[in-house]
Amino acid sequence: DAGVTQSPTHLIKTRGQQVTLRCSPKSGHDTVSWYQQALGQGPQFIFQYYEEEERQRGNFPDRFSGHQFPNYSSELNVNALLLGDSALYLCASSLQGDPLENTIYFGEGSWLTVV
Amino acid sequence: QQQVKQSPQSLIVQKGGIPIINCAYENTAFDYFPWYQQFPGKGPALLIAIRPDVSEKKEGRFTISFNKSAKQFSLHIMDSQPGDSATYFCAAKVNGGTSYGKLTFGQGTILTVHP
Repeated sequence: DAGVTQSPTHLIKTRGQQVTLRCSPKSGHDTVSWYQQALGQGPQFIFQYYEEEERQRGNFPDRFSGHQFPNYSSELNVNALLLGDSALYLCASSLQGDPLENTIYFGEGSWLTVV
Repeated sequence: QQQVKQSPQSLIVQKGGIPIINCAYENTAFDYFPWYQQFPGKGPALLIAIRPDVSEKKEGRFTISFNKSAKQFSLHIMDSQPGDSATYFCAAKVNGGTSYGKLTFGQGTILTVHP
C-alpha cells in the first residue's frame, strides 16, 4: 500500500523564481492538503484540495497556488520566491468519506531552499 | 483561538523513563487530537489520536490523556527507548464546517532519550 509520495525531495531555487512541488496521495485517499514547515517549527496549513477544488486556505499569500488532478494527485506552485519561503513542504492526504473523517497521513516532504 | 500551545520545547530522559508532553487549546470546536512523531529529515508520522469523548487512549507504549474541561491533553511514553528520540507534535482539528480537515499544530517538543 503506497503511502503519500512527494517529489522532488530537495531543490534549490533563486529568489524571484517559481517552483512546482508534486504529491500523490495515499492509495484510496481523495483529499490533499499542503503544509509549510519552517526549521524548528510545527507545520502550517497552506490549503486543501478536494474534488479538484481548493476547499480551504490558510494564511498564505496568493503567490502560493495549487491544483488537484482527476487522479487525486496535487501540485503546489510558489511564484516570486522569497528567502523566507525556504522550508519543508509537506503533503498530507485523507479520505473524505472516512467514517472517522480524521486520519491524515503525511509524505516525507520536499525541502526547498531559496538563495 | 486557533492556537495549540505545546510544552516543553525540549525534554531529556533516561532510557526507561516516562516523558510527558503537554498541549493546551482554546478552540472548543476542536474534536480530534492527534500526535505526530517526526525524525530529522522526515515527514510527521501519525502516532496516536484521541477524540474528546474519551479521557484516555493507549496504544502500545504511548498513552494520551485528555482533560476536556481544562482543554488540555498530554502524551506519555512508557519505558522510553533511545529510538523514541524525535520531535513530537500535538495537533487539533475541527471536523466539518469551514475548518474541515485543517490540522493546527503545536510548536513541537524535541525528545532525547539517553541510553
